[in-house]
Formats: sequence, structure tokens, C-alpha cells
Amino acid sequence: DIVMTQSPDSLAVSLGERATINCKSSQSVLYSPSNNNYLAWYQQKPGQAPKLLIYWASTRESGVPDRFSGSGSGTDFTLTISSLQAEDVAVYYCQQYYDTPLTFGGGTKVEI
Amino acid sequence: QVQVVQSGTEVKKPGASVKVSCKASGYTFTRYGIHWVRQAPGQRLEWMGWINAGNGNTKYAQKFQGRVTFIRDTSASTAYMELSSLTSEDTAIYYCARGPPAGYDSNYFDFWGQGTLVTVSS
Repeated sequence: DIVMTQSPDSLAVSLGERATINCKSSQSVLYSPSNNNYLAWYQQKPGQAPKLLIYWASTRESGVPDRFSGSGSGTDFTLTISSLQAEDVAVYYCQQYYDTPLTFGGGTKVEI
Repeated sequence: QVQVVQSGTEVKKPGASVKVSCKASGYTFTRYGIHWVRQAPGQRLEWMGWINAGNGNTKYAQKFQGRVTFIRDTSASTAYMELSSLTSEDTAIYYCARGPPAGYDSNYFDFWGQGTLVTVSS
């Protein structure tokens, strides 16, 4: 199984400041023929289901604010919130879909 | 608009089975897959497998093989997950989520159900 490791477990960021979340996979999730990274990011607020933010490592889902961005390739990925808003308080998860079983990171809790 | 609505909270005794429903609307049900993901207290999200809503083909995570069954009712645009031989370790919120269109390998999830809490307790 591909193990997804996120860091940090939690972080506190001031309103308007940048938040950076890291995700590392135990093996590459880059499919070379297409140059696609099989990596998604989700946001989960308390009592809610996860919400898709980013797929293919850097493609923003429709309706997601552009302060959210994804980067990275191979085994190392980053989710950046460029200017944290109060509504961004949540737990963020990365997920690989390169191979089954599909696996998720342990989550990063973002607080103000 | 796409909606995915799950059945309500379940309380089961150890050794019992549970069946959770997942009703989809706002899109052509048979063109997409439905995945099942669970979240136990304090644990990470855990993928259980998926069903091709068009042809009914299934793939189960090895951990759940033999204990979980996915079916779908295309006339009702509803998928079902049945988990048997429940133990306390199966206490979790169970989510269904829409996967990619059939034939695509982009297995990220763009629409999720609200979750169904399953509590296993004697």
C-alpha cells in the first residue's frame, strides 16, 4: 500500500497569513506517460464530509477560491493557503489515487 | 445540482450486519462509480472500495474482502454498502462519494454523502 504522510499534524496561522501543508507518499504517484500526479487534496470542517479542493496535484476544483493552490510532483506535495480566512479552519487531507487501495494522509488541522 | 444523500444513524451489536444506502441525484447515476470511505474516531479516512454503478462491477479493499458487499439499484439511483460480522472497531462514519466517470482512472471524489454514523456496541 502507498503510505501518505502529512506534516505538520496541526498549525496555527494568523488571519491573512500563509498556511503550508506537506504530503509525502511512500512511492511516486507520478504516471510518467501522461505526466500526471495522482494526488488530491480535501478540506473537512467539523461535522461535515470532506470537500474536494485540488486534483491532479495542482488543478483547483470548480468553485474553490484561488487562495488554495497545490504543487509538487513524484512523492512530495504541498497545499498552500495564501491568505488564511476564518472559514478555512478545518482539517486537510491528501489522497493518492495512483493505485489501490486508495489511501489518505493522516490530516493536518489548521487553526487561527 | 448533484446531491448524494445517505441513510441515517445505525446502532448495531457485535456480530451483526449493517446496510447503508446512498441515493444520488442531479447526474446520470450509471455513468459514474460510487466509492465508500470510512472514518473511525481519531483515525484517517479509509477507503473500502467502489462499485461501477453502470455494470455493477466491484472492487473491495483487501482489508474488507469477504465482509463487505456493494450493490446498486439503478432504478432508484441508489448504492448500498453492507458490512457484516461487525466489531467495535467498525464504529465509524461511513461515507459514499462519487468517483470518476466509467473508464477513467482519476479516482478522486467530487461529491460526498453527508456520512452515516455506525456505532457497534453491546
